[in-house]
Amino acid sequence: GNSVTQMEGPVTLSEEAFLTINCTYTATGYPSLFWYVQYPGEGLQLLLKATKADDKGSNKGFEATYRKETTSFHLEKGSVQVSDSAVYFCALTTLGSGNTGKLIFGQGTTLQVKP
Amino acid sequence: NAGVMQNPRHLVRRRGQEARLRCSPMKGHSHVYWYRQLPEEGLKFMVYLQKENIIDESGMPKERFSAEFPKEGPSILRIQQVVRGDSAAYFCASSPGGTYQETQYFGPGTRLLVL
Repeated sequence: GNSVTQMEGPVTLSEEAFLTINCTYTATGYPSLFWYVQYPGEGLQLLLKATKADDKGSNKGFEATYRKETTSFHLEKGSVQVSDSAVYFCALTTLGSGNTGKLIFGQGTTLQVKP
Repeated sequence: NAGVMQNPRHLVRRRGQEARLRCSPMKGHSHVYWYRQLPEEGLKFMVYLQKENIIDESGMPKERFSAEFPKEGPSILRIQQVVRGDSAAYFCASSPGGTYQETQYFGPGTRLLVL
């Protein structure tokens, strides 16, 4: 079946450190891939997405590249800030799910950035 | 353009009572998804609706849970005879077209606590 696996957290970094959150997936067909961010007590916000192989999604200094050969969509940021502290979710949708667009989420990775 | 609205934001119910959660999609969006986030877990798909139709309810528990999206008014997720295990955050998302490549926009969620 379709699934998403994220690296376990929490991830604790100092301000201005480099961030990588690993995400790998299993999917039938050609999935679209997403990163969502959830701040404490809030809903999810789309951070970036990629809909085909080798696409790079980017937003607010975050980047992720859709790698079909390694079935990965790792999230990176060159210099994190305290305000980036949140829970990050990797997710996919696929035609294999009947093209209904339902998202399949990873378990989430908590990022804590210390000043 | 107002985002996805959910109410109430917090709901407390005693075991055996009914819970009604409401979701108003973004203007122009006619596709609604409901997800549940159990404590310390990722989000799990429950149901996908279009106006007056349930398209995919494969993630919905077979008993006590129902959803609707009438022609007029918000989408409603209804939980009858709540149990402690129903305590979770329930998120609604909407999209304009419902295809697998489209972005879903999330509401702030309803946090249900069953005593």
